[in-house]
Amino acid sequence: DAKTTQPPSMDCAEGRAANLPCNHSTISGNEYVYWYRQIHSQGPQYIIHGLKNNETNEMASLIITEDRKSSTLILPHATLRDTAVYYCIVRVPGANNLFFGTGTRLTVIP
Amino acid sequence: DAGVIQSPRHEVTEMGQEVTLRCKLISGHNSLFWYRQTMMRGLELLIYFNNNVPIDDSGMPEDRFSAKMPNASFSTLKIQPSEPRDSAVYFCASSLGQARSGANVLTFGAGSRLTVL
Repeated sequence: DAKTTQPPSMDCAEGRAANLPCNHSTISGNEYVYWYRQIHSQGPQYIIHGLKNNETNEMASLIITEDRKSSTLILPHATLRDTAVYYCIVRVPGANNLFFGTGTRLTVIP
Repeated sequence: DAGVIQSPRHEVTEMGQEVTLRCKLISGHNSLFWYRQTMMRGLELLIYFNNNVPIDDSGMPEDRFSAKMPNASFSTLKIQPSEPRDSAVYFCASSLGQARSGANVLTFGAGSRLTVL
């Protein structure tokens, strides 16, 4: 699976949009981009995934660049409960492992 | 559905003792993953089952670790004998499918925090 690069930490004001970047410049054509998050003392939680097109669900939006070498996870209105470590993962269908890396620690500030 | 259920949530034991961690999959899921998380190494996959069959155990640290799926809905991870370096949070996750679909999503349990003194 291609490797990802994420900033180690970010802050976001409560109520504002949180934009979390991820670089995956070596991504191959059949690799999906997944986002998970881990709130303190809990198990990782799936957020969203995509291949080429932008995706949106009740939790977040995923914007993938046209060349697919980077993506951005958007939490439209961050709350204090969104404080967590966010992991960007690229993965080939059929791969057994999810390599979590170090992620981005997002702190939502009141 | 109650989600993936792990027990115990916390375990403190002494070096050399046997430790058994338990996991109940989400009903209908057929893939099971055991992960370990430490500050130094982050989240590491230990072993993966599909339809009760171990598919990839390359992440199991050594012979002291063993994992089983006695039935389709339950798994155990055993450490015997335990050592202080095994102290970590152990997560179990389940999914539907053989991870061959891009839509495959893992659902994690709350974890078992193990402390070996």
